[in-house]
Amino acid sequence: KNQVEQSPQSLIILEGKNCTLQCNYTVSPFSNLRWYKQDTGRGPVSLTIMTFSENTKSNGRYTATLDADTKQSSLHITASQLSDSASYICVVSAMTGNTPLVFGKGTRLSVIA
Amino acid sequence: KAGVTQTPRYLIKTRGQQVTLSCSPISGHRSVSWYQQTPGQGLQFLFEYFSETQRNKGNFPGRFSGRQFSNSRSEMNVSTLELGDSALYLCASSRVPEAQGPGGEQYFGPGTRLTVT
Repeated sequence: KNQVEQSPQSLIILEGKNCTLQCNYTVSPFSNLRWYKQDTGRGPVSLTIMTFSENTKSNGRYTATLDADTKQSSLHITASQLSDSASYICVVSAMTGNTPLVFGKGTRLSVIA
Repeated sequence: KAGVTQTPRYLIKTRGQQVTLSCSPISGHRSVSWYQQTPGQGLQFLFEYFSETQRNKGNFPGRFSGRQFSNSRSEMNVSTLELGDSALYLCASSRVPEAQGPGGEQYFGPGTRLTVT
């Protein structure tokens, strides 16, 4: 069964600190993996998209890594800001079946001063 | 350019009623997907439309239906509402269906918050 598991479920960090969010997936065949940021009350916004051949991709202070062999991805946030407080959702494209996109349940990040 | 718009933003209905939600995609986008988001289940795929045709459907009962018009605008309908249908309903648009690869990146609207009492 295609699944995406994210950890931790929630995280609280101090402003200025770094953090890493994890994503493990069992989706096959794999097409691409995305990280979305969702602010409260808003729709998700894409941060990065990585295909099978990409190991690392950055978007400002956000850096995503992908290990297609172990089917793991991480999102690293550097020098966190209060505005980083949001849910971060890992999404994997299955490229087949009735559900092309498989969503994780997200990690709720709270950055405090 | 304007993003994905969804109307209404908030809706309160009672059990047994039906509801219609609307989504206007980004100009030039022909693919529209609908998702249900609840705290316990996260985002779940409802259906995807491309050029007025339903391409994919998730595991939801037949009470959930949708359609797409020739201008790519889409509506979804939920009949005989249940308390468990309370959720944030998100619409996402892309130039081509996501599964087709490049150009399939989805852009989400702000969602419609449906509360069933």
